[in-house]
Amino acid sequence: DAGVIQSPRHEVTEMGQEVTLRCKPISGHNSLFWYRQTMMRGLELLIYFNNNVPIDDSGMPEDRFSAKMPNASFSTLKIQPSEPRDSAVYFCASSPEINTEAFFGQGTRLTVV
Amino acid sequence: GENVEQHPSTLSVQEGDSAVIKCTYSDSASNYFPWYKQELGKRPQLIIDIRSNVGEKKDQRIAVTLNKTAKHFSLHITETQPEDSAVYFCAASIPGYALNFGKGTSLLVTP
Repeated sequence: DAGVIQSPRHEVTEMGQEVTLRCKPISGHNSLFWYRQTMMRGLELLIYFNNNVPIDDSGMPEDRFSAKMPNASFSTLKIQPSEPRDSAVYFCASSPEINTEAFFGQGTRLTVV
Repeated sequence: GENVEQHPSTLSVQEGDSAVIKCTYSDSASNYFPWYKQELGKRPQLIIDIRSNVGEKKDQRIAVTLNKTAKHFSLHITETQPEDSAVYFCAASIPGYALNFGKGTSLLVTP
């Protein structure tokens, strides 16, 4: 298995634009997580899914952020409209079951100018 | 939700010395405690984990200890090497919930 695959690896966009981050979890994993990493706040949990169903989105900063998991092999995190303070590295991770090892993708480095 | 505190935020040791990183958690229902290593520009990767039914676990030069009563757990790295230099994250999770991470410890091992 190639592991968790995220795209794009880097994204530079202008303030106000829509940004869509993509994630393909490891096949057979039932849980998927979106984390945001910044120097100030470390690794923050944004939202997670179990069997494609969102379980907890309390970490999503505000209504500008949304996430979907239409099937077991694909998830998106969308920011609309984007703001400079959204600049961070966004990681997707998956695990066989909740409460077990999370395998991280390589991350998407987002810069909003 | 679960709150994980991690100390120190930075740690510098000489090659061959030991390094200890400590974490505390807030929810006594937490039962899974992994440690991740993140090298510069890379993804976090699991190095060792422990469940609440075990007090200590060791894997070569790294070990983790858990004190459920005090709600704290620690990572111990012995005989440190320059390639151990990285950011280390502790995490905790409650059954049925996602991992909550500490803020990380930047470890520098100097030759």
